[in-house]
Amino acid sequence: AQTVTQSQPEMSVQEAETVTLSCTYDTSESDYYLFWYKQPPSRQMILVIRQEAYKQQNATENRFSVNFQKAAKSFSLKISDSQLGDAAMYFCAYQKNFGNEKLTFGTGTRLTIIP
Amino acid sequence: DGGITQSPKYLFRKEGQNVTLSCEQNLNHDAMYWYRQDPGQGLRLIYYSQIVNDFQKGDIAEGYSVSREKKESFPLTVTSAQKNPTAFYLCASSMASGRAETTYEQYFGPGTRLTVT
Repeated sequence: AQTVTQSQPEMSVQEAETVTLSCTYDTSESDYYLFWYKQPPSRQMILVIRQEAYKQQNATENRFSVNFQKAAKSFSLKISDSQLGDAAMYFCAYQKNFGNEKLTFGTGTRLTIIP
Repeated sequence: DGGITQSPKYLFRKEGQNVTLSCEQNLNHDAMYWYRQDPGQGLRLIYYSQIVNDFQKGDIAEGYSVSREKKESFPLTVTSAQKNPTAFYLCASSMASGRAETTYEQYFGPGTRLTVT
C-alpha cells in the first residue's frame, strides 16, 4: 500500500522569506502523480501544484516549486517570497496513475507566516 | 460558475440517528469521492464512484453508505453504525480514468462539519 509521510507538523517563516516543506512517499509503482494541496482556515482544499512521475523536470507555479527526487521518493514544496495568505495547512498527496484515482494524503504541515 | 457544493456547512445530530450529507458538482466530472478529515490524520477515503450506479469502498467505509444515481450527485449517509462520526467531511470530483496523459486532479467542495452528540 502507498504511504505518504510529512515529518514536519508545523513550520514557520518570516514574510518574504523562503520555506521548504518536506514529503516522502512509498510506492512500488513507476507511474503516478504527486500533489500539494493547501487548506486555509476556511478548510477549502486548494490544489497548489502537481508533478507527474514520468517527468524529470520539477513543476513550478509562480512562487511555488517542487523538488522531485524519484529515486529517493521525496517531493518537497518550496514557497518563495512567503506572503501572509500562504498561512495554511499543506498536504502532500499521492495518486496512482491509470485507473485508480484514490488520493493518499500525508498528515499535513501547518505553515505560519510571521509578519 | 462550475464547482462542487456541499450542504449544509454545519450539521448536528443526536447519536443513533442516520444523517445524509449532500454533494453536487456541475463540472461534468465522472468520478466523485468522499473523504473524512480528523485532526492530525490528514484525509482518508470513505467511498468513491467512477461512474453512475457504481461505487467502491475506500479505506474507512464501515458505518457509511453512498449512492450514485446521477452523475452530478454523490450523497453520503453516516449511519448509526459509525462509531465516531464527528468529523469534517469533504467531497471531491475528477475526470474519469483510463485516458492516457490525462491528469486526474481532484477538485474539492467546501466541506461539511458533522457533530454528533
